[in-house]
Amino acid sequence: GAVVSQHPSWVICKSGTSVKIECRSLDFQATTMFWYRQFPKQSLMLMATSNEGSKATYEQGVEKDKFLINHASLTLSTLTVTSAHPEDSSFYICSANRDRVREKLFFGSGTQLSVL
Amino acid sequence: KNEVEQSPQNLTAQEGEFITINCSYSVGISALHWLQQHPGGGIVSLFMLSSGKKKHGRLIATINIQEKHSSLHITASHPRDSAVYICAVNTGNQFYFGTGTSLTVIP
Repeated sequence: GAVVSQHPSWVICKSGTSVKIECRSLDFQATTMFWYRQFPKQSLMLMATSNEGSKATYEQGVEKDKFLINHASLTLSTLTVTSAHPEDSSFYICSANRDRVREKLFFGSGTQLSVL
Repeated sequence: KNEVEQSPQNLTAQEGEFITINCSYSVGISALHWLQQHPGGGIVSLFMLSSGKKKHGRLIATINIQEKHSSLHITASHPRDSAVYICAVNTGNQFYFGTGTSLTVIP
């Protein structure tokens, strides 16, 4: 199956700093990547859909200036949490596929962000 | 009201038992996904289906489009099946996720 790599696996940062998370499709070109957030013992919450070469589409309630998404190539999307605060501490995970309608989702391994 | 409802929320089973997890949805869909999330956080896509039934090993997924309902069955359950199982639907424009079913299989 297709492989999606996410980096870093975990990050601890001070309040006010920015954190960048990378999501790479290693063996296929992903026209669409998705970013999710997950709080402990809760399900996935879709944050945004990232399309290569265009602006990301954010879900209602997700601040686009807070969570910057860049999908500069067909194999890389980045999520930057700007001016992170403790309430941004969460598990962030990405997924990608080649055909969003006809294909399974392939997930990265997730990034645990802890903001002190 | 959530677009995707899963039941049960939590499930404990003895090794070897037959397990069923249910998913009901209220929107028109192009596909339904069953996902498995292990304690470490990694998520694996088990099935994507838009009609009928799919089988992979001890896992079976069914969907009834008219009733807007899907089930995930695990036969001969094993402790390694312990995970959170998430139902997700794709409307073509949007994904909606169930709240997950936490399964624990006891040896």
